[in-house]
Amino acid sequence: GENVEQHPSTLSVQEGDSAVIKCTYSDSASNYFPWYKQELGKRPQLIIDIRSNVGEKKDQRIAVTLNKTAKHFSLHITETQPEDSAVYFCAARTVNYGGSQGNLIFGKGTKLSVKP
Amino acid sequence: DSGVTQTPKHLITATGQRVTLRCSPRSGDLSVYWYQQSLDQGLQFLIQYYNGEERAKGNILERFSAQQFPDLHSELNLSSLELGDSALYFCASSVAPGDLYEQYFGPGTRLTVT
Repeated sequence: GENVEQHPSTLSVQEGDSAVIKCTYSDSASNYFPWYKQELGKRPQLIIDIRSNVGEKKDQRIAVTLNKTAKHFSLHITETQPEDSAVYFCAARTVNYGGSQGNLIFGKGTKLSVKP
Repeated sequence: DSGVTQTPKHLITATGQRVTLRCSPRSGDLSVYWYQQSLDQGLQFLIQYYNGEERAKGNILERFSAQQFPDLHSELNLSSLELGDSALYFCASSVAPGDLYEQYFGPGTRLTVT
């Protein structure tokens, strides 16, 4: 089945710097890759997603890139702010035999700390 | 506030016991998902329901079961509890299955098994 590896597990940056979180997946049939942000004690919230027919997607200070050949995708946060501090999860959606959409398989998370 | 509600917020129980976690999806959402979040395993998909029917199953133990009722709320039943079942249990809902529809997470139920 699908396996999603996420790195690094912790990341500390200075306010204003960029942060990059990388994920790799194992199932080449996976076709949807969302990123979730989870602040301490709160629920995960979708911040950006990308589908396998797109190589890059941007939304203000966050962007996601996808390399289908290498089976990896990355989250880029520019001009980081203290409120970006949270745990970020990547995920990949599997495709079932027959082509129907499967489950979301999550990475283990990256704890991002942005120091003012 | 995502519109997804979960009760109770916290639950402390002993090994061997049985508990029921409840989830009410956002108004209009037909699909409900259950996830387990523990420190060492991250977010793990357990099971999904769509309009009352089981749609997909993940790493859900045989001691665990779930259902979605006609009013679309869902319950996750955990039995013969073990210490390792201590975790945060999230419910999420979406309009329908598939990645065209965002999954909205509830606030979670923190289960502690002593």
